[in-house]
Amino acid sequence: NAGVTQTPKFQVLKTGQSMTLQCAQDMNHNSMYWYRQDPGMGLRLIYYSASEGTTDKGEVPNGYNVSRLNKREFSLRLESAAPSQTSVYFCASRQTDYEQYFGPGTRLTVT
Amino acid sequence: GQSLEQPSEVTAVEGAIVQINCTYQTSGFYGLSWYQQHDGGAPTFLSYNALDGLEETGRFSSFLSRSDSYGYLLLQELQMKDSASYFCAVARVYNQGGKLIFGQGTELSVKP
Repeated sequence: NAGVTQTPKFQVLKTGQSMTLQCAQDMNHNSMYWYRQDPGMGLRLIYYSASEGTTDKGEVPNGYNVSRLNKREFSLRLESAAPSQTSVYFCASRQTDYEQYFGPGTRLTVT
Repeated sequence: GQSLEQPSEVTAVEGAIVQINCTYQTSGFYGLSWYQQHDGGAPTFLSYNALDGLEETGRFSSFLSRSDSYGYLLLQELQMKDSASYFCAVARVYNQGGKLIFGQGTELSVKP
């Protein structure tokens, strides 16, 4: 039982490049989330998926797209990376209304 | 809109007791959660309050006052390993998809 896994752990991109962050959970949870965390700021929701086949915008969706590939997997895509997207990205899945399980994070630098 | 406020930093000594406060402003409040994060790693769930009062889990306790829109996390018998960031998070009644709203976090430093 691995919980929530994310790949890659680290990534450096040049401005304008694209990439996809992968997330998978093995807890059979319906809801999954993508957050970004910047220094001195809490976790800000980018996109979420309440159930397989649905996705919705969170607080900071601009510059990102998501795909809920199946119940296990939820990917985050940066189509044209910008330095403002330098951040740590966390994927999470929902256990209850108040408890989420988080992955280890992806540390992304855009130069 | 929604907002949560918590102190940015707290320092305490090993063996002491520390309280991390969280005040919130949100519509449709359902409950308050607390998460711990070590060194930028995965946040982990600590505690949850839906009703007023104190919830105790070992050395950690969490308190909620819905009338004051206020909660706190209490850490007793502090250990060096408790040095971490602590986040409060609000769950709302009509929280489509189980979304949580997180505070900015409190960095706790435990000194010997």
